[in-house]
Amino acid sequence: TQLLEQSPQFLSIQEGENLTVYCNSSSVFSSLQWYRQEPGEGPVLLVTVVTGGEVKKLKRLTFQFGDARKDSSLHITAAQPGDTGLYLCAGVGGSNYKLTFGKGTLLTVNP
Amino acid sequence: DTGVSQNPRHKITKRGQNVTFRCDPISEHNRLYWYRQTLGQGPEFLTYFQNEAQLEKSRLLSDRFSAERPKGSFSTLEIQRTEQGDSAMYLCASSPGLAGGLAGELFFGEGSRLTVL
Repeated sequence: TQLLEQSPQFLSIQEGENLTVYCNSSSVFSSLQWYRQEPGEGPVLLVTVVTGGEVKKLKRLTFQFGDARKDSSLHITAAQPGDTGLYLCAGVGGSNYKLTFGKGTLLTVNP
Repeated sequence: DTGVSQNPRHKITKRGQNVTFRCDPISEHNRLYWYRQTLGQGPEFLTYFQNEAQLEKSRLLSDRFSAERPKGSFSTLEIQRTEQGDSAMYLCASSPGLAGGLAGELFFGEGSRLTVL
């Protein structure tokens, strides 16, 4: 069973601060995705990383895939209240079609 | 709106009753998934269809759960003799598969929240 550990589980910060959340596993993934989920809604895809060491930027969000493709990080610069939500990482492993999700990091950005 | 559609959005039922959820995927997507999510947890994989074929079913699914995808279009998830432990958000997602996009890229519906009293 491929497990993804996300940390921290909860994070509450003030508007304008920077933050990093982590997604770690002992397994290698062929690709890894980050989603954001708001209360009562389904997750929405933010980014997919495929190559070890890959860095992708989405406005104030920077995603990195570890060299060994076992871990990833999400860095948010100058967080805004609209960034509030549950951030989930999900890995595609042995079976190409199946995503395994972590438990998520619940981010609250206070105005 | 051409996204993934799920209904009902909310269902409250008494223990022992049967419930059915429906998912209409994005029309050109041949892959369809069901996940279950409880409070404070990430989505847990339940089952996967490629077109009309159910290719994998999680050990999380007891015999009370059944899913179908007739004609490879919409899908239904039925839970028989519901138990309080079945209370969760049931999420459906679709994917274009390898030909149309990166492997495993999922587009989720808004979910169907089940409460079993």
